[in-house]
Amino acid sequence: DAEITQSPRHKITETGRQVTLACHQTWNHNNMFWYRQDLGHGLRLIHYSYGVHDTNKGEVSDGYSVSRSNTEDLPLTLESAASSQTSVYFCASSEVAGVQETQYFGPGTRLLVL
Amino acid sequence: AQSVTQLDSHVSVSEGTPVLLRCNYSSSYSPSLFWYVQHPNKGLQLLLKYTSAATLVKGINGFEAEFKKSETSFHLTKPSAHMSDAAEYFCVVRGHGSSNTGKLIFGQGTTLQVKP
Repeated sequence: DAEITQSPRHKITETGRQVTLACHQTWNHNNMFWYRQDLGHGLRLIHYSYGVHDTNKGEVSDGYSVSRSNTEDLPLTLESAASSQTSVYFCASSEVAGVQETQYFGPGTRLLVL
Repeated sequence: AQSVTQLDSHVSVSEGTPVLLRCNYSSSYSPSLFWYVQHPNKGLQLLLKYTSAATLVKGINGFEAEFKKSETSFHLTKPSAHMSDAAEYFCVVRGHGSSNTGKLIFGQGTTLQVKP
């Protein structure tokens, strides 16, 4: 079955280190998204992509970057991890834009920055 | 700008009783609205969505939601709660406009507790 996976599921790192979170989908969806989930804030959009080589900043993009070299993957990089980036990160994908779009979410990655 | 407000951060019901999770939205456009559920330590699962078709939307697991434009509401209901319904529920609106197209805007979530 087609799916969306994230790795690692749990990660502990130190401040200042570079961290990359992987997201892989097998639906061949054009659109991919990264969100972070924090208590009291729901989910907030970090970055998104509408296709290969396309990337866009979301609501809370500072300190994060993404690249889209193929349809299946959208890795999220924390250039220099900060304690404020301790969070649960969700990747999502969707096939079409517009009214009929539905985003499907991965299982999440819990990141702790010490 | 689009936004959603979930009116209750926590709802507690007894098993077998009705569930009502309240959501109000703000949108200058005809909105696309969603309800997602998140079980503990799990990802988000789509329950149902409204995209300007029928105002009463039926979803999975017996949930449904009614779009009421006059009240700018999209409340989620279920006639009879089950223990497995205990989870976090998110009301979501899709963004519009040049800077928001395709983006999902999440409410802060409602925790549903189901007591035996």
